[in-house]
Amino acid sequence: EDQVTQSPEALRLQEGESSSLNCSYTVSGLRGLFWYRQDPGKGPEFLFTLYSAGEEKEKERLKATLTKKESFLHITAPKPEDSATYLCAVHSGYSTLTFGKGTMLLVSP
Amino acid sequence: AAGVIQSPRHLIKEKRETATLKCYPIPRHDTVYWYQQGPGQDPQFLISFYEKMQSDKGSIPDRFSAQQFSDYHSELNMSSLELGDSALYFCASSLGLLSRKETQYFGPGTRLLVL
Repeated sequence: EDQVTQSPEALRLQEGESSSLNCSYTVSGLRGLFWYRQDPGKGPEFLFTLYSAGEEKEKERLKATLTKKESFLHITAPKPEDSATYLCAVHSGYSTLTFGKGTMLLVSP
Repeated sequence: AAGVIQSPRHLIKEKRETATLKCYPIPRHDTVYWYQQGPGQDPQFLISFYEKMQSDKGSIPDRFSAQQFSDYHSELNMSSLELGDSALYFCASSLGLLSRKETQYFGPGTRLLVL
């Protein structure tokens, strides 16, 4: 059974204080690892897809990396508008995603 | 850019009633997925459709059924509602199945409250 563990569960940063979110996974044949951002009461917003170890993708202040066991979402100089829950999901089966429980990020001004 | 549309956005029902949630995928997307997200929980996959055929099935209760229509929109039918069905229900769509390295894009969700 696929397992996705995200840490920390919650993270509070000061504006401009860089940090990283972790997503550890156990799957039988990774086909893709996805990062989504979710604001309260809203649908997950797609950020990145990573397919193979060593792959990196960047978007504004976010950078996602992938190894054979985990993925990191690096947040550089975060702003209050980056506050959200960040979800990691893996695709190993036919068409489904298995999500982690997310990291709730709060960036204070 | 057009996104996934879900209706209604909010729904209040009583126990044992039925509910129908609708999902309109991004134009040209032929695959639809349904997820259930309880309070403070991660989204749990329910069911998916590709080209109007069921493609995968997750933890969907027998009281629920779904289908995809010729215009690719999908409906999730929920009967004999229970208090525990209260959750956010998300629809996602993609162009082709994930096995082809496509990305799922999520709608805003329908918040269902069962009283």
